[in-house]
Amino acid sequence: GNSVTQMEGPVTLSEEAFLTINCTYTATGYPSLFWYVQYPGEGLQLLLKATKADDKGSNKGFEATYRKETTSFHLEKGSVQVSDSAVYFCALNSQGAQKLVFGQGTRLTINP
Amino acid sequence: DSGVTQTPKHLITATGQRVTLRCSPRSGDLSVYWYQQSLDQGLQFLIQYYNGEERAKGNILERFSAQQFPDLHSELNLSSLELGDSALYFCASSATGGNTYNEQFFGPGTRLTVL
Repeated sequence: GNSVTQMEGPVTLSEEAFLTINCTYTATGYPSLFWYVQYPGEGLQLLLKATKADDKGSNKGFEATYRKETTSFHLEKGSVQVSDSAVYFCALNSQGAQKLVFGQGTRLTINP
Repeated sequence: DSGVTQTPKHLITATGQRVTLRCSPRSGDLSVYWYQQSLDQGLQFLIQYYNGEERAKGNILERFSAQQFPDLHSELNLSSLELGDSALYFCASSATGGNTYNEQFFGPGTRLTVL
């Protein structure tokens, strides 16, 4: 079946550091890929998405590129801020299905 | 604010009891999804309704059921509750429920604690 694997957390960085959160997936066909963010006490918000191979999703300084050859969708940001502290979820939905399959989440803490 | 509302925000109950969680989708959205977030299972899809009809089913226990009403709000019913049902339950909505993906907008969740 379809599955998503994220790097284990928690991740703690200093402000202005470079961020990478790894995400790999297993899916049949050509899934769409997503990164969601969950701030403390809130629901999930879509951060970015990519719907086909080599697409790059970007938002708020975050980027992720759909790599079909390595089945990966790693999240990156060049300079993190304290306000980026949250839990990040990688997710996919496979062709013809609306449900999202999530990774286990990575808790990110940014220290000033 | 995603436009998706969930009530109640917190629910504390005892084992063996039954509870109902309520979700109102964004205005105009026809699809409602329920997800469970627990420490050991992570975020898991439970069930989807589209315009009143069940569209997809995930890892939903037989003790759990859901429905979507004509005004498009949805309820998730959890019965014979067990300690392991303690979790955060999210509702999400999207414009359609067809083959083309539409962004899902998530509500703030209902935190269920079973004692």
